[in-house]
Amino acid sequence: TQLLEQSPQFLSIQEGENLTVYCNSSSVFSSLQWYRQEPGEGPVLLVTVVTGGEVKKLKRLTFQFGDARKDSSLHITAAQTGDTGLYLCAGTLFDSWGKLQFGAGTQVVVTP
Amino acid sequence: GAGVSQSPSNKVTEKGKDVELRCDPISGHTALYWYRQRLGQGLEFLIYFQGNSAPDKSGLPSDRFSAERTGESVSTLTIQRTQQEDSAVYLCASSLGVGQPQHFGDGTRLSIL
Repeated sequence: TQLLEQSPQFLSIQEGENLTVYCNSSSVFSSLQWYRQEPGEGPVLLVTVVTGGEVKKLKRLTFQFGDARKDSSLHITAAQTGDTGLYLCAGTLFDSWGKLQFGAGTQVVVTP
Repeated sequence: GAGVSQSPSNKVTEKGKDVELRCDPISGHTALYWYRQRLGQGLEFLIYFQGNSAPDKSGLPSDRFSAERTGESVSTLTIQRTQQEDSAVYLCASSLGVGQPQHFGDGTRLSIL
């Protein structure tokens, strides 16, 4: 059973459109991270959010951590073909600092 | 190298054989983690090492799985008597310390025939 549920599982959009990926849980996390993974490679960290209600922006990507620290979202504005990849959210529980709990991922495909 | 290095990148073996996967962490990183990623799924935690502390083995799926780490350097993940359900990508990550951002290698793709 995965603690983090991601939605949607798959998203296909055209270049220039916006998209949002969601990561939800009934558990409270001390921090939440977003990764992007491309085929044949390991996940690459995009951002870490640690404070409930926190919003972080990374160029066209906006990340939000829910007030209750149970959910997060990733919003991409004006998507580009280079944004194609598997987006994974991962969280750390307060009583297990060493373990990252991963969601199943959202496959994003951006077409020209 | 500057990043986490894993070898081999691909491994194909017959059911019942033992396999050993290797991970070279980033120099100076005291924490090292192993994950398993089945096709189309997220990462499943297996084990982590932090300095000289006892490793957290709570994610290992069975006693056929074991891992070792020499000091704060190389780690090996061993799977004995492999089964077809062991087929997956095995990813290693390291971090400066537990709770710090994890940096991943590109994984070993293991296929059990």
